[in-house]
Formats: sequence, structure tokens, C-alpha cells
Amino acid sequence: GAGVSQSPRYKVAKRGQDVALRCDPISGHVSLFWYQQALGQGPEFLTYFQNEAQLDKSGLPSDRFFAERPEGSVSTLKIQRTQQEDSAVYLCASSSRLRDNYGYTFGSGTRLTVV
Amino acid sequence: SQELEQSPQSLIVQEGKNLTINCTSSKTLYGLYWYKQKYGEGLIFLMMLQKGGEEKSHEKITAKLDEKKQQSSLHITASQPSHAGIYLCGRGDTGRRALTFGSGTRLQVQP
Repeated sequence: GAGVSQSPRYKVAKRGQDVALRCDPISGHVSLFWYQQALGQGPEFLTYFQNEAQLDKSGLPSDRFFAERPEGSVSTLKIQRTQQEDSAVYLCASSSRLRDNYGYTFGSGTRLTVV
Repeated sequence: SQELEQSPQSLIVQEGKNLTINCTSSKTLYGLYWYKQKYGEGLIFLMMLQKGGEEKSHEKITAKLDEKKQQSSLHITASQPSHAGIYLCGRGDTGRRALTFGSGTRLQVQP
């Protein structure tokens, strides 16, 4: 597609429920990033993929968070046993090898509310 | 992130006025990105600065990088309601592909 697509746009989960958030990057983009953005804050890095390899997961806040990109295109961020502090907008971004001049392209995000 | 401080945190200006947003890094800057975000939407890339003294423009928005001060400024000339949103600066780090972002500056432009 023309841009980075994320689904669902909104997700309400009961505390303790597992959720899966999907990201469809721009076709051909090798790099894919997940960010978490709390209300009134800037995005915080979660994890980074180059193709199917997860090269950096230093930002994942706990072992309840898991991300995968098995075929090097679509990625899924899974959160197990959701807690209220997980409520945030989850942003996905992708870039080509030439990202330095063009920046990253972000999706519109998934707004997760844990009740 | 406290590694990137943005000021002011919020700003309300009248249409047609000029304004400046600042971004100061506590670490050496290896590339500084400016993004704009509207409520409920993703980030839109505005521009990237890499060299000290570099200045870039995108329509009525100009950004400068002062490498020595580890600071960047974003200047909007003759602001319009379409400029309203959250402006975020992001810093690249050596050996790391991810960006570190500031908390953003919320801009409102009153007609």
C-alpha cells in the first residue's frame, strides 16, 4: 500500500486479556519499528526489525510484550495479560535503507485502552 | 524523553504570527528529525538536519541545527490554522536505528 497501515485503530481490552496489534509496512521497507506513546508524551521506542530479524528489543517494558515479523513484512505486537499502564497509542513505522534523508513513515497507530 | 527537552510545552498564537519551538539534547546530536502529529494520527516527517549550522525549509517552516549547543529550533512564519498540531523532535543515536523523541510542543493557531 501507499502508507503504513495499522489495525485495529482502537482496541478496548479488559485487564488480563491478551491483545495483538498488526502493522503492514510500506512494501519493500526493510526496517520496521514499534513505538509506544502515552497521553501527552512523545513516542517511546519498543523494538526494531530488519527484515524478519528482531535486532533491538531493548525498549520492550516487560516480558508480557512480544513482537514478531516472520516473513519480513507484516509485524504483530502482542501484549499478554494487559495492565492499565499498557493503555497508550502503539505506533508502527517503517523505512527503506535510504531512511536518513527521508525519515521514517509512521502509521496512524492503534489506541489501546485497558479497563 | 528527558534526553530531549522541547520548549515551550504548549503554545497558542494568533493566525499570521511567527513562532519558534526549541529542542535541546543532553547528548551529542547525530541527526535531528522534526515531525508533526495531529490528534489521533501518526507522525508526519517534516525534515531532518545532520550538520551543524544546517538549515532547511518546508513551505513556511524552517529548522536550524546548532551542533555546539546541541539544539535545534523550528520556526513557523505567518502561522495558519493548518499548522496546528504537536511538533516532535527526534534524535538519532550512533549504532542504533531507533529515534529518541521529545515530549512535543502543542501548537494552537487561533483564526
